[in-house]
Amino acid sequence: QQQVRQSPQSLTVWEGETAILNCSYENSAFDYFPWYQQFPGEGPALLIAIRSVSDKKEDGRFTIFFNKREKKLSLHITDSQPGDSATYFCAASGTGNYKYVFGAGTRLKVIA
Amino acid sequence: NAGVIQTPRHKVTGKGQEATLWCEPISGHSAVFWYRQTIVQGLEFLTYFRNQAPIDDSGMPKERFSAQMPNQSHSTLKIQSTQPQDSAVYLCASSSGQGGTEVFFGKGTRLTVV
Repeated sequence: QQQVRQSPQSLTVWEGETAILNCSYENSAFDYFPWYQQFPGEGPALLIAIRSVSDKKEDGRFTIFFNKREKKLSLHITDSQPGDSATYFCAASGTGNYKYVFGAGTRLKVIA
Repeated sequence: NAGVIQTPRHKVTGKGQEATLWCEPISGHSAVFWYRQTIVQGLEFLTYFRNQAPIDDSGMPKERFSAQMPNQSHSTLKIQSTQPQDSAVYLCASSSGQGGTEVFFGKGTRLTVV
């Protein structure tokens, strides 16, 4: 059972454009949603995270939009840079839960 | 802070051999996790320790896989009688607390079973 789904599987944007990565989940008990960025040969690194009590979280060029009613969230990367080319994972966990459920990831390529 | 350290970075074993993977969590972190990453299955939770005690091993294959945390500075994941389907990147992670606190991942150990 795939509890966290991501789309698209891959995305290519030009430098300076906004990349939009989507995530949806099934479990209503999930209330913490971190996004991880992974470069080849590296482990995932936390990029930005949001709790279900918020509908938006911003950190520089990275913004999460969260819709609790629809169980959907999205990561917007504005002014995309070639250095943002990586795989992005949406994850979810419940209150006090230690275990993350990860989506399959979106591979982002930013062309200069 | 060197982050979560995993050794070796790459390991090749023959089918049927044993593989031991090592993890040194970030100093002071009480929670240690093991995940497995493959192209097909993605990132899968394997097991979790808190203050060195095993809390949840629900993701561990019941046979051949075991994890230990003999002290607060290292954890091991042991795979006995390795099979080709065990080939994956094994990621160790640590955090300072329970859910909602940042989880830091190591660079992983790429295990190849030939």
